Amino acid sequence: SQQGEEDPQALSIQGGENATMNCSYKTSINNLQWYRQNSGRGLVHLILIRSNEREKHSGRLRVTLDTSKKSSSLLITASRAADTASYFCAMNSGGYQKVTFGTGTKLQVIP
Amino acid sequence: GAVVSQHPSRVICKSGTSVKIECRSLDFQATTMFWYRQFPKQSLMLMATSNEGSKATYEQGVEKDKFLINHASLTLSTLTVTSAHPEDSSFYICSAPDAYGYTFGSGTRLTVV
Repeated sequence: SQQGEEDPQALSIQGGENATMNCSYKTSINNLQWYRQNSGRGLVHLILIRSNEREKHSGRLRVTLDTSKKSSSLLITASRAADTASYFCAMNSGGYQKVTFGTGTKLQVIP
Repeated sequence: GAVVSQHPSRVICKSGTSVKIECRSLDFQATTMFWYRQFPKQSLMLMATSNEGSKATYEQGVEKDKFLINHASLTLSTLTVTSAHPEDSSFYICSAPDAYGYTFGSGTRLTVV
C-alpha cells in the first residue's frame, strides 16, 4: 500500500508564524486528509480535501491539493503553542475505503 | 460526532501471553474497521481491515495467525495479539469510516515485558 512522504520531518517555529507542511504521494487518490496527533495520543481529524478540489480552508488551516503533482500542503497560520504536535497526511484511494498515512511532520511551536 | 471507543488505553503483559484490544463504534454502525500500528516516532502502518461477517484482510507482512481480528457485530471489532513478544510493543489504533470521513479510537499502548 502506498505511503505518503512528508516534509519537513520536523519543524520548529515561533508562535505567531505560519507553518507549512508538504505531502507527496504515489498513486491517484479519492481524497486526502490531514490529521494531528499529540504525543502518544490518538488522531484528530483536521480536514479532508477531495480529488476534484484544489484548496480548502478551516479556521487557521489551509490545505491545497495538486493532483497533477500528487502533492498536498497544509498551512497553519498564526501558530500557537497548542499547535505543537505531529501532523500526518492520509490518502484514500481505489474503490476501497482504506486509508494509508504519510510519514508525518513533527511541529514545535515555541511560545 | 461519531466516536470509536478503544480499550484498554494501556496494557503491560508478559512475553508469551495474549492481549485483546477492543474497538466499539458508538452511535453508528461500523461495517469496516481498520487496524493500525505505530512504532515510536514513526507513522501509522495499516495492519489489517476487518469487515463485519467476513474474514479480515491483512496487509503484506502482517501475520494473520499472530494478530487475530474478529468483527463480531456492527459495533465491535477486536484485535488479539497472540503470544506477544517485546517486538510487538507498539501503539495500536483502530479507525472506522463514518458519515463524515473516518473516526479513530484513542489508541492502545502495548508494552510486552
